[in-house]
Amino acid sequence: KAGVTQTPRYLIKTRGQQVTLSCSPISGHRSVSWYQQTPGQGLQFLFEYFSETQRNKGNFPGRFSGRQFSNSRSEMNVSTLELGDSALYLCASSLNRGGADTQYFGPGTRLTVL
Amino acid sequence: GEDVEQSLFLSVREGDSSVINCTYTDSSSTYLYWYKQEPGAGLQLLTYIFSNMDMKQDQRLTVLLNKKDKHLSLRIADTQTGDSAIYFCAEGGGGNKLTFGTGTQLKVEL
Repeated sequence: KAGVTQTPRYLIKTRGQQVTLSCSPISGHRSVSWYQQTPGQGLQFLFEYFSETQRNKGNFPGRFSGRQFSNSRSEMNVSTLELGDSALYLCASSLNRGGADTQYFGPGTRLTVL
Repeated sequence: GEDVEQSLFLSVREGDSSVINCTYTDSSSTYLYWYKQEPGAGLQLLTYIFSNMDMKQDQRLTVLLNKKDKHLSLRIADTQTGDSAIYFCAEGGGGNKLTFGTGTQLKVEL
């Protein structure tokens, strides 16, 4: 079974631009979560989508948004990029059976904002 | 509030046991997880433990949980050079919002 895939793997943008990252979950997984990883703040939860609805949200400004499609694929968007948005963005998918809902992570998208 | 702490570095010799420690503050955590991250890669789930357990063993990995002290540890037996990576503990309340620790960089020396 194919793992979680994220595209693109690397991205360079300039301040003020916007960016869209994509995540394809493992087949059959219905929940997709996004995390931001930076050297200073570590791993921080952005949001989770399930059945095309945002189910959980972390403490990030409204410039960070996401969506999920009917096939469970998810995208996240960051508008008006700032230098501090440079990070590794990780996507994770899970079956959402309840209990220890094991999350499987993709390789991440490395975003650099210049 | 939620806060998960880990020591930053651990160095061991190949063949020895490694013990990585983690403390957390959210007493409502239902599950606690250990993830491994190799350079340039995402996170790989190693194991998890339910909060009403105090120990879980999975091949070379042993997880110990002291719920009273909110202390979690991961023991890797017979540590190999391939175990060199950053190890993250994470707590979850049963949903998919995980709070991660700061990560412990494990270096295995020959």
